[in-house]
Amino acid sequence: EPEVTQTPSHQVTQMGQEVILRCVPISNHLYFYWYRQILGQKVEFLVSFYNNEISEKSEIFDDQFSVERPDGSNFTLKIRSTKLEDSAMYFCASLAGANTGELFFGEGSRLTVL
Amino acid sequence: QKEVEQNSGPLSVPEGAIASLNCTYSDRVSQSFFWYRQYSGKSPELIMSIYSNGDKEDGRFTAQLNKASQYVSLLIRDSQPSDSATYLCAVKAGNQFYFGTGTSLTVIP
Repeated sequence: EPEVTQTPSHQVTQMGQEVILRCVPISNHLYFYWYRQILGQKVEFLVSFYNNEISEKSEIFDDQFSVERPDGSNFTLKIRSTKLEDSAMYFCASLAGANTGELFFGEGSRLTVL
Repeated sequence: QKEVEQNSGPLSVPEGAIASLNCTYSDRVSQSFFWYRQYSGKSPELIMSIYSNGDKEDGRFTAQLNKASQYVSLLIRDSQPSDSATYLCAVKAGNQFYFGTGTSLTVIP
């Protein structure tokens, strides 16, 4: 069964360092998303991406964050200068098309900022 | 900002009982509704989707939608210990998904 894959599964970094989280969405899916979940809290929307550009972003997605689709398969989230409060699980998700409903999540990347 | 509200629980039911999970949403434009199950430390897993008013059954799970009341629920029949997880209600509006805070369910053997 097709799946969304994410790497790394866990990353530990020092405050102020740059982090890149990688995702390979399901092939032929058109919409891509990044969500964040701080331990014990709700799943929070960060950004959505369609047709090689950001379609919507939340207030959380400030200038420290960026997304790219450098090739036909990878979808990356970059955090330029990590803060302690960036520690969370980051989920990538993909959606086949506008008229489909099922959002498929990857297994997540746990980011720990020290 | 679309709001999706869930009772955070925790909800405890004995094995074999019916677990009832509730969700309300604030936006009448929302058209698609989903229930995800999330085990601790894992990603959300879709278990039910519902698009029209009424009931939708899939095995031990039944989703109920009432758009007039902006209410969606999930019933789990014959609850099993493996059903112990956090259940997330999600609402789709356009191409965006909005999640509730989740209800923690514990099924006691």
